[in-house]
Amino acid sequence: AQKVTQAQTEISVVEKEDVTLDCVYETRDTTYYLFWYKQPPSGELVFLIRRNSFDEQNEISGRYSWNFQKSTSSFNFTITASQVVDSAVYFCAHHSGNTPLVFGKGTRLSVIA
Amino acid sequence: EAGVAQSPRYKIIEKRQSVAFWCNPISGHATLYWYQQILGQGPKLLIQFQNNGVVDDSQLPKDRFSAERLKGVDSTLKIQPAKLEDSAVYLCASSLGLAGGELFFGEGSRLTVL
Repeated sequence: AQKVTQAQTEISVVEKEDVTLDCVYETRDTTYYLFWYKQPPSGELVFLIRRNSFDEQNEISGRYSWNFQKSTSSFNFTITASQVVDSAVYFCAHHSGNTPLVFGKGTRLSVIA
Repeated sequence: EAGVAQSPRYKIIEKRQSVAFWCNPISGHATLYWYQQILGQGPKLLIQFQNNGVVDDSQLPKDRFSAERLKGVDSTLKIQPAKLEDSAVYLCASSLGLAGGELFFGEGSRLTVL
């Protein structure tokens, strides 16, 4: 069965530090999609990125970057020069054609000014 | 474009009472989901609709939970009777229904069962 593991429960960093959130997934499907969502205190899950299993190119969007490595079944998320507004719970999720979106338990990031 | 609307935002009830949550998805989104998020955990899918048909309800506790999506638009999720362990945030999401498509989430309905 599909499973997503986010081993880091909570991380605290000082503003302007870089931080990496880890995500490891398990799947038997060859075609699948990986996602990262951000959940700020307001509660709404905000989509950050989607990656399909055939595209291992790393992606950068502003201060955010993602490293997808099929060899280690990982899809890690790095925030460069963190800001207080980055404080939130971040969820990694997996989806394939036969299964719904399955979330990890989330990593709570606190950025301290 | 309006996002996914949910109501109520907060609800407090006593155990064995009933409660209903409402969701209005993004216009044109064929697929609607209800997720349960218990404090400190990731969201867990309860039920998925494609238009007004159920695609997946394997994790819905059918002895107490029910959901419907009449006319393939709005949806309601009902719990009757509620248990203490039902305290959670109930998130509604919608998508176009394409494989790998992005889910758009509402702000959720926080339920506290006393």
